[in-house]
Amino acid sequence: SYVLTQATSVSVAPGQTARITCGGNNIGSKSVHWYQQRPGQAPVLVVYDDSDRPSGIPARFSGFNSGNTATLTISWVEAGDEADYYCQVWDSSSDHVVFGGGTKLTVL
Amino acid sequence: EVQLVESGGGLVQPGRSLRLSCAASGFTFDDYAMHWVRQAPGKGLEWVSGINWNSGSIAYADSVKGRFTISRDNAKNSLYLQMNSLRPEDTALYYCAKDISGDPDYFHYWGQGTLVTVSS
Repeated sequence: SYVLTQATSVSVAPGQTARITCGGNNIGSKSVHWYQQRPGQAPVLVVYDDSDRPSGIPARFSGFNSGNTATLTISWVEAGDEADYYCQVWDSSSDHVVFGGGTKLTVL
Repeated sequence: EVQLVESGGGLVQPGRSLRLSCAASGFTFDDYAMHWVRQAPGKGLEWVSGINWNSGSIAYADSVKGRFTISRDNAKNSLYLQMNSLRPEDTALYYCAKDISGDPDYFHYWGQGTLVTVSS
């Protein structure tokens, strides 16, 4: 089955840029979606179809997908961005939704 | 406003059954695929099962296949998950999630979850 690999944690100072990666075999051929989950809350979609943002999500959140890596970039990081971030794809070969293991973003 | 309200969770002994429900409102329910996603305490998200708009396509994670059954009642705007032969490793917060389209793709809205605890 298809596997998505994320780093366990990323740390960044306020005002800096956070980059959260999601690795998968030829992931560039799939559409990648990203969710933010703050402690004690349900996940929220922040990027869909590699790089599009739902309404209400700040432009500070952006995405890119190519080759074997998809990246969620958060510019001008704020304390409120501290959360777990998950990547997700639909694997058509298995008819399964696949999540990455999640990356905990810590704002120093 | 889209609302997804899960219910039916609780404490259950290993080997027993439980049925979760998700009441949907604020959108045309039978236009969209729906899913169950779970999260064990302190762990990441795990997709459990998904069903397309007309129940014509259903899929399960390998970890629950043969034990769990997803279904929907479009007339009642409701999604269900019948969980049989429950195991301690099924302990998790179970979320109901609305897809962006009639077939599986990604999750546009999530409920707040219902907690299932499997323990003797």
